[in-house]
Amino acid sequence: SAVISQKPSRDICQRGTSLTIQCQVDSQVTMMFWYRQQPGQSLTLIATANQGSEATYESGFVIDKFPISRPNLTFSTLTVSNMSPEDSSIYLCSASPRGHGGYTFGSGTRLTVV
Amino acid sequence: AQSVAQPEDQVNVAEGNPLTVKCTYSVSGNPYLFWYVQYPNRGLQFLLKYITGDNLVKGSYGFEAEFNKSQTSFHLKKPSALVSDSALYFCAVRGTSYNNDMRFGAGTRLTVKP
Repeated sequence: SAVISQKPSRDICQRGTSLTIQCQVDSQVTMMFWYRQQPGQSLTLIATANQGSEATYESGFVIDKFPISRPNLTFSTLTVSNMSPEDSSIYLCSASPRGHGGYTFGSGTRLTVV
Repeated sequence: AQSVAQPEDQVNVAEGNPLTVKCTYSVSGNPYLFWYVQYPNRGLQFLLKYITGDNLVKGSYGFEAEFNKSQTSFHLKKPSALVSDSALYFCAVRGTSYNNDMRFGAGTRLTVKP
């Protein structure tokens, strides 16, 4: 199955700043997905990123707050903009390599906003 | 849209006893079903999946799950629990279209006591 490298693994950021999270897949994938996992909770889908088009956002998430780039079939970034303490979460990217059926996940980015 | 329900927030079992973590799903058409495990401060680890075929699926670390279409369930089981199985378990579902995203249940915290 595919391997996803995600960075940074963790960061502590000041409120009002922005952080960009990167994910690199070791094979080409059509769709990449970004999730958020708030402390002690399940994973919530933020958006779906398809190469060459704008990301599709789930209810409650907007592009201005979470801009996503998908410049090619192996890479994506998620930016958390104008951060507040409520944005403190684990952010995970994932992809579904062709024929795999399931998803592979990056190791996650643990974000703390102070 | 697809969804899963994990009716139990917490499952406690004694080491050596069988364990079951419950999951029911809702999806249009045939489902792809998954179990993931998350250990403290670590990423999601894939346990097993049901795509098609035999309703009893065997996965990592001695876990298995039974797909029951009539009951729309996909319960995770293990014949003999280990203390090291203590973790957070997530059931997930996606549709069979290539661009279907994966939806996660709320998670069940399994505690295995010596």
